[in-house]
Amino acid sequence: SYVLTQPPSVSVAPGQTARLTCEGDTIERKSVHWCQQKPGQAPILVVYDDSGRPSGIPERFSGSNSGNTATLTISRVEAGDEADYYCQIWDNSVPSVVFGGGTKLTVL
Amino acid sequence: QVQLQESGPRLVKPSETLSLTCAVSGDSIDNGYYWGWIRQPPGKGLEWIGSLYHSRTTHSNPSLASRVTISADRSNRQLSLRLTSVTAADTAVYYCARGLTPIDYWGQGTLVTVSS
Repeated sequence: SYVLTQPPSVSVAPGQTARLTCEGDTIERKSVHWCQQKPGQAPILVVYDDSGRPSGIPERFSGSNSGNTATLTISRVEAGDEADYYCQIWDNSVPSVVFGGGTKLTVL
Repeated sequence: QVQLQESGPRLVKPSETLSLTCAVSGDSIDNGYYWGWIRQPPGKGLEWIGSLYHSRTTHSNPSLASRVTISADRSNRQLSLRLTSVTAADTAVYYCARGLTPIDYWGQGTLVTVSS
C-alpha cells in the first residue's frame, strides 16, 4: 500500500516561512491535499489538488508537488498557525484514502 | 454551509458493535460527493474508515473492511457507521466527512471508548 511520510515536527519563528513536506513514491502523479488540525478541533482543508486554496483560507497557505515530495508552505507564520498538518491522497490501486502521519507545527 | 454532526453511544463494550449516525445539513447525500468516516485514536493520526457514493458505491479501508458497514438514509439526510467486534484499539474520535479526494468538510467528531 502507498505510504506518505511527514516529519513529526517543524518549528518556525513568527513571521518566517514554514515548509512542511510529504514524501511518497512519485507523489507528483497524485493529487495531494492538506488539512490543518488545531488541538481539540476537527481538521479543516487548507490546500487541495496540490496547490488549490479553499474559500476562506489565507493566501499565506500554498502548496506544490514535484518528484517524490509535496510541500505545504505557510508564509509569514502566525501563532494561530500552530497545529498538526496532515497530507492526504487517494490511492487508486487499492483503492483507499491515505493520510500521512502528520507534522506538528510549533511557532516559537 | 455544509454541517455534519455525529451522534451515538460514547461507550461500547469489547466484542460488541459500534454504531454512529451523522446528520447532514446544507447539502444532500445524493449530490455527487462521497460521504464517509475517519477516526483518530487519542494522541495519534488520522485513519480513513470508508466512504459511500450515491448510497450505493462503497470504498473501505482494507484493514477494517470486514467489520465496517456504511449506509445512508437519504430522506433523513443521515449517514451511518457500524463497526463490529470492537476492541480497545477501536477507541478513537470518529469523524463524519464529505468528499474523498479531497475531504473538504468534517464534523466535530465524537469520542467513542471501548471498555467493559
